Amino acid sequence: KQEVTQIPAALSVPEGENLVLNCSFTDSAIYNLQWFRQDPGKGLTSLLLIQSSQREQTSGRLNASLDKSSGRSTLYIAASQPGDSATYLCAAGANSKLTFGKGITLSVRP
Amino acid sequence: NAGVTQTPKFQVLKTGQSMTLQCAQDMNHNSMYWYRQDPGMGLRLIYYSASEGTTDKGEVPNGYNVSRLNKREFSLRLESAAPSQTSVYFCASSREGGTGRVFGPGTRLTVL
Repeated sequence: KQEVTQIPAALSVPEGENLVLNCSFTDSAIYNLQWFRQDPGKGLTSLLLIQSSQREQTSGRLNASLDKSSGRSTLYIAASQPGDSATYLCAAGANSKLTFGKGITLSVRP
Repeated sequence: NAGVTQTPKFQVLKTGQSMTLQCAQDMNHNSMYWYRQDPGMGLRLIYYSASEGTTDKGEVPNGYNVSRLNKREFSLRLESAAPSQTSVYFCASSREGGTGRVFGPGTRLTVL
């Protein structure tokens, strides 16, 4: 059974820092890896989707990488801003087998 | 283009009452999903529909039923609500099972 782990559960950084959020998964035979953002009391917003044949995806200040051999994905946020404060979840797999991590709650201090 | 919409946004039920959560998507997606999100448990799949006319159980289906009414709509029914079903429920859709999920805003359900 696929297990997805995100450590630490919470992170606080000063504004302007470049930061990396980690996601690890146990079954490397994944179809894709998706990163989401969730604001308090809201739904999940898709940030980046990496297909299993890809190594990384970029959108603005966000870059996500995928290393299937090591069972790891990282979300890189450049020049963090207070507006980036949210919970970031990764999900690995496909179809009904998409498994979510519990998320990392990020707080960016002004 | 509204994406995925869910109704209601909030609901309070008494134990034993029934209700249906509605979900609709306007992206012409084939697959639709119902999840629940609980503190410390993450997101768990309740039921999914890979295509119109099909539904399958997910990780936590007990106490729920679903109906894929047409390609756009996928409803979740609680026949006899229990306090353990207090949760936030999310509907999601995707073009195919292997592509990215688009989520609705959620329904916050409290069962007293």
